[in-house]
Amino acid sequence: GQSLEQPSEVTAVEGAIVQINCTYQTSGFYGLSWYQQHDGGAPTFLSYNALDGLEETGRFSSFLSRSDSYGYLLLQELQMKDSASYFCAAGSLTYGQNFVFGPGTRLSVLP
Amino acid sequence: DTAVSQTPKYLVTQMGNDKSIKCEQNLGHDTMYWYKQDSKKFLKIMFSYNNKELIINETVPNRFSPKSPDKAHLNLHINSLELGDSAVYFCASSPMTSGRNEQFFGPGTRLTVL
Repeated sequence: GQSLEQPSEVTAVEGAIVQINCTYQTSGFYGLSWYQQHDGGAPTFLSYNALDGLEETGRFSSFLSRSDSYGYLLLQELQMKDSASYFCAAGSLTYGQNFVFGPGTRLSVLP
Repeated sequence: DTAVSQTPKYLVTQMGNDKSIKCEQNLGHDTMYWYKQDSKKFLKIMFSYNNKELIINETVPNRFSPKSPDKAHLNLHINSLELGDSAVYFCASSPMTSGRNEQFFGPGTRLTVL
């Protein structure tokens, strides 16, 4: 089977750092992606980890530990515009190389 | 210069009708997808398709069928619409070889079945 878990909601203040965790149970796992979705908008790609370790892209970083079936998205210097839903997605070779999305974490950034 | 486009943006219809949603990408990507996002924002893949292979999520009813007239288009046909089909449907595309495995999503089509 394929399943991912994320916290449903996270709240933080502007300028803070927040970490959104994702655990997965995915057969044939080959990588973990992160997407951002604003209300009424489409998901947009943030990052992808195929190997263990940290990937940094500006204010956003993503981490993967394959041995722990765990990853996280780190958002630094939070801005109001970061208020959105964040989805982790696990790639599965036994799922036609497609991605299974987690339930999403709604991030609210307060002034 | 739109990357992935979908039409219509909104679709309101009666139960039992048949409808189609069109999707086009001008990115030259090899693989296209259809996703369903329900009211709780769960994003579920329905189909993935490239010029060689169609992968179907086994939980998708056979009332849903993808049709690809060419590499740049993947349309979604839905027969005998049901209330539970109400959702936002996203088309997406990705290149075959992408180290980032990045998918580009269309703006979505909000389907309401009455």
